[in-house]
Amino acid sequence: GAVVSQHPSRVICKSGTSVKIECRSLDFQATTMFWYRQFPKKSLMLMATSNEGSKATYEQGVEKDKFLINHASLTLSTLTVTSAHPEDSSFYICSAIAREYNEQFFGPGTRLTVL
Amino acid sequence: GQNIDQPTEMTATEGAIVQINCTYQTSGFNGLFWYQQHAGEAPTFLSYNVLDGLEEKGRFSSFLSRSKGYSYLLLKELQMKDSASYLCAVMDSNYQLIWGAGTKLIIKP
Repeated sequence: GAVVSQHPSRVICKSGTSVKIECRSLDFQATTMFWYRQFPKKSLMLMATSNEGSKATYEQGVEKDKFLINHASLTLSTLTVTSAHPEDSSFYICSAIAREYNEQFFGPGTRLTVL
Repeated sequence: GQNIDQPTEMTATEGAIVQINCTYQTSGFNGLFWYQQHAGEAPTFLSYNVLDGLEEKGRFSSFLSRSKGYSYLLLKELQMKDSASYLCAVMDSNYQLIWGAGTKLIIKP
């Protein structure tokens, strides 16, 4: 199956700094990528949907100025957590739709800890 | 509104069979997914159904009835490593995934 990678896998940062997380589809073109956040013992929460070359669509309650998403190419989407606070500490997961497979593939996730 | 329902938790015995049900109400339908997720890890894709009927993959099978808005995941010959959360998700007409809260499956020896 297709592979989605995320970088970094873990990041620890100080409160007030910004963190960028990359999501790449390694062997297919992803016209649509999703960003999720997962709280402990909870299901995935969709944050936003990003389509290549257009602005991301954010879910209700997600601050678009705080969670900046850029889907610059058919293989790369980035999520930037700006001015991070301890409550932003979470597991962030991206996924990509491979149209030819009509299937969704997940990245391994990025664990963000804000001190 | 859009809604996915599945049981919160189920318990089964090693070697047995378990069926995890999922019912949904969504705006449009572009397929139903089942994922397995172990604690601290990203979900792993198990199955995808877009047509009615049963899809079998080894020990796991998934069934879909679009008219009833219903699916189930069937796990046979349960192993201890099958202890995980099982997530049901439906892709709506905008290709967005609507997620269920997940079913925590506990396997006992």
